[in-house]
Amino acid sequence: AQSVTQLGSHVSVSEGALVLLRCNYSSSVPPYLFWYVQYPNQGLQLLLKYTSAATLVKGINGFEAEFKKSETSFHLTKPSAHMSDAAEYFCAVRSGNYGGSQGNLIFGKGTKLSVKP
Amino acid sequence: DTGVSQNPRHKITKRGQNVTFRCDPISEHNRLYWYRQTLGQGPEFLTYFQNEAQLEKSRLLSDRFSAERPKGSFSTLEIQRTEQGDSAMYLCASSLKGNEQFFGPGTRLTVL
Repeated sequence: AQSVTQLGSHVSVSEGALVLLRCNYSSSVPPYLFWYVQYPNQGLQLLLKYTSAATLVKGINGFEAEFKKSETSFHLTKPSAHMSDAAEYFCAVRSGNYGGSQGNLIFGKGTKLSVKP
Repeated sequence: DTGVSQNPRHKITKRGQNVTFRCDPISEHNRLYWYRQTLGQGPEFLTYFQNEAQLEKSRLLSDRFSAERPKGSFSTLEIQRTEQGDSAMYLCASSLKGNEQFFGPGTRLTVL
């Protein structure tokens, strides 16, 4: 069974500083991994996804994540934080095999990012 | 806007009442998912449709919950005899053949 653990329920950075949000996964099959962002009272927006191609994945809004199998990690980074990045971020793994009958997402508990001016 | 839409956005109900939510997926998407998100948690999978067939139900989906997707387009999620523990954000997502899921804005349910 797949699972995801996000380390740190709350991360605070200064504007212009590096953003690092941590995600570790557990999966018995090659994982498909995702990062979503959620702004208050809104649904989730996909930032980026890893689907077994390049291990360094670039997403929207300057975010990227690196898949490290040896560390079972998929940490999200952004070189320079903007005030508009303040939101909640969720790491997710897709259940089952790619193209399998299920495909629902298993989410971590989320990390709330605050950006100080 | 051709994204996933959900109605209503907010619903306040009294304990014991029935409620129904609607989700309209992106038009060509054949897969539709329902998730529930409680405060401080990530979304949790409830159920999933491929076209009109309900293929998977989580153990979170008690017998008070029922979902339908009658013509393989929009879907409804009904909760009967609501309980305070049902208070949550109910999210709908759609995808094309298991590719990335696009989420709607959610319906926030408050049970008094």
